[in-house]
Amino acid sequence: DTEVTQTPKHLVMGMTNKKSLKCEQHMGHRAMYWYKQKAKKPPELMFVYSYEKLSINESVPSRFSPECPNSSLLNLHLHALQPEDSALYLCASSQEDRGIYGYTFGSGTRLTVV
Amino acid sequence: KQEVTQIPAALSVPEGENLVLNCSFTDSAIYNLQWFRQDPGKGLTSLLLIQSSQREQTSGRLNASLDKSSGRSTLYIAASQPGDSATYLCAVGLNALTGGGNKLTFGTGTQLKVEL
Repeated sequence: DTEVTQTPKHLVMGMTNKKSLKCEQHMGHRAMYWYKQKAKKPPELMFVYSYEKLSINESVPSRFSPECPNSSLLNLHLHALQPEDSALYLCASSQEDRGIYGYTFGSGTRLTVV
Repeated sequence: KQEVTQIPAALSVPEGENLVLNCSFTDSAIYNLQWFRQDPGKGLTSLLLIQSSQREQTSGRLNASLDKSSGRSTLYIAASQPGDSATYLCAVGLNALTGGGNKLTFGTGTQLKVEL
């Protein structure tokens, strides 16, 4: 298995809702990442988990809460989002935390906040 | 702070042309550089990975080069096809220095259209 699987592919949520994005990989990768991509912009790093521990938080608002229950799974919990949080959320993984062997990205979750 | 720029921002070519996409970065202390392809509304597909000690990598009609000292990389696409139409992103990997974990910084992207 050489894929990063993200679910759901699309999500529409209200500003008072709580939802979660899920990311899974079975490549034995030990680092996992969340990126946010707005339309016609490059992806921007949000969080890095290295060996199941949060190692980087790029000053992301607390309405985004990451969780890494085990080495194969990464979640992003969403609460009280704003319409400007609508974006494509990409998950990625790398074999180890320096990314020497490159990164594998999932197909993303298209999030719309109404 | 690492800044990554791609030129041109958009490119339209007839089928069959050879083309070059450019990527430049400001901090040469990189682990590697990776080229990705992104179709509209989709995720990123890795095309080529060049380690900091390497000069180039090839895969099929694609060839990527890296010149760390000048902070430049190029992606060469031979005999372009309509199916190559997509946005191409370069990304440099930097050590986050603290707490483990690497930081991947993306370029601004080149939107390519290959016409019949």
